[in-house]
Amino acid sequence: QSVLTQPPSVSGAPGQRVTISCTGSSSNIGAGYAVHWFRQLPGTAPKLLISGNNNRPSGVPDRFSGSKSGTSASLTITGLQADDEADFHCQSYDNSLSGWVFGTGTKVTVL
Amino acid sequence: QLQLQESGPGLVKPSETLSLSCAVSGGSISGSSYFWAWIRQPPGQGLEYIGSVYYTGRIYHNPSLESRVTISVDTSKNQFSLKLFSVTAADTAIFYCAIFVDTQSPPNFWGQGTLVTVSS
Repeated sequence: QSVLTQPPSVSGAPGQRVTISCTGSSSNIGAGYAVHWFRQLPGTAPKLLISGNNNRPSGVPDRFSGSKSGTSASLTITGLQADDEADFHCQSYDNSLSGWVFGTGTKVTVL
Repeated sequence: QLQLQESGPGLVKPSETLSLSCAVSGGSISGSSYFWAWIRQPPGQGLEYIGSVYYTGRIYHNPSLESRVTISVDTSKNQFSLKLFSVTAADTAIFYCAIFVDTQSPPNFWGQGTLVTVSS
């Protein structure tokens, strides 16, 4: 059972912008814990895409950006490309559970 | 650069115990102030934190699994392990071992994951 809620799927045409939401609560995102985003291709382990709410690791294109406000966070992909198709997961920490929490996951489809 | 590798049976019978190990290379498990963690992902679903062991030996569990989980460290083998008791088909998942540095950081390293199927 996931503590952070994401839409099951989002889609867009090449070149468009899509946004994935990640809704938490006052014990995780709202408590000030950082939100991180992972991209996962079929059959592979998740790979870090955004860390600390809005920081891109080396090699991640600036088409990917993150933001956080209140008890929610968002991942935005601009200039959508065919190879952006993947599953995306948000992740944070929850102080009431004393553990790390993940989102429900979102599948991005390029139309 | 730390590397993690999961190992264990790929098939476990219902009601039995799932046992996995995570071998650590590129560094010493006893000398690193990390949280050595287990994460699972049921087929087609999201990721779930199972639990972790801090370098001090303190264990942290996901409350939803706490009564069925044991996590331990074997410093002589430089590995940490997971036992999940009384498994059911709902425990079928890809299991990942991973490392967290602190509560504000993402998992810094992941294993490649291992699929465990619970079936008779």
